[in-house]
Amino acid sequence: EIVLTQSPVTLSLSPGERATLSCRASQSVGTYLAWYQQRRGQAPRLLIYDATNRATGVPPRFSGSGSGRDFTLTITSLEPEDVAVYYCQQRAQWPTFGGGTEMEIK
Amino acid sequence: QVQLQESGPGLVKPSGTLSLTCNISRAPVDRNLYYWGWVRQPPGKGLEWIATTSFSGSTYSNPSPSLDGRITQSVDGPRDQFSLQLSSVTASDTAVYYCVKSRSPHAGRGPFDIWGRGTMVTVSS
Repeated sequence: EIVLTQSPVTLSLSPGERATLSCRASQSVGTYLAWYQQRRGQAPRLLIYDATNRATGVPPRFSGSGSGRDFTLTITSLEPEDVAVYYCQQRAQWPTFGGGTEMEIK
Repeated sequence: QVQLQESGPGLVKPSGTLSLTCNISRAPVDRNLYYWGWVRQPPGKGLEWIATTSFSGSTYSNPSPSLDGRITQSVDGPRDQFSLQLSSVTASDTAVYYCVKSRSPHAGRGPFDIWGRGTMVTVSS
């Protein structure tokens, strides 16, 4: 099983600030990594796939980078609606998810 | 736009079988090329992939000890539905169950670009 470790667990920033979320894999997943956003009470939404590609309809302030074991989701200018939990997911082997990063807006 | 809707009992007794169905609305014409599956989320916790299947019969299942050997998937092409059965359930199977669609053809392991709204299933006597 490939274990994904996300950090930080919680991130609290002000509107307009830049957010950097990390996901580290226990072994290389190449670029087979996706990011999801889950707002309270809603289903997850695909944001980024294959490490760097934005899904349909995702605003350009969301971007992904990385390969191998280390990945980053960046939100360049936080907006109030970005309050959510963000999960990474790998598909190099049978799918596993990270534990999530909770984004709070001050 | 494809839409997914889960249905099934909200309460299942311990040692029983959890059965869920997902109805696909506005299925793509090349539906058979995609994978369709299930992800669950225990209350207040993270996401866990359960299994995916295609309408042509290919399947992937989570091999972890908590799920291995208890998963059965089926599809109903004419009705645009797919189903999950999870046997020998315990309280640890209590979760919101989401049905999902793979973003790309032939991608049995995701990522998943369409999610249902989720259905809460409680295992309790």
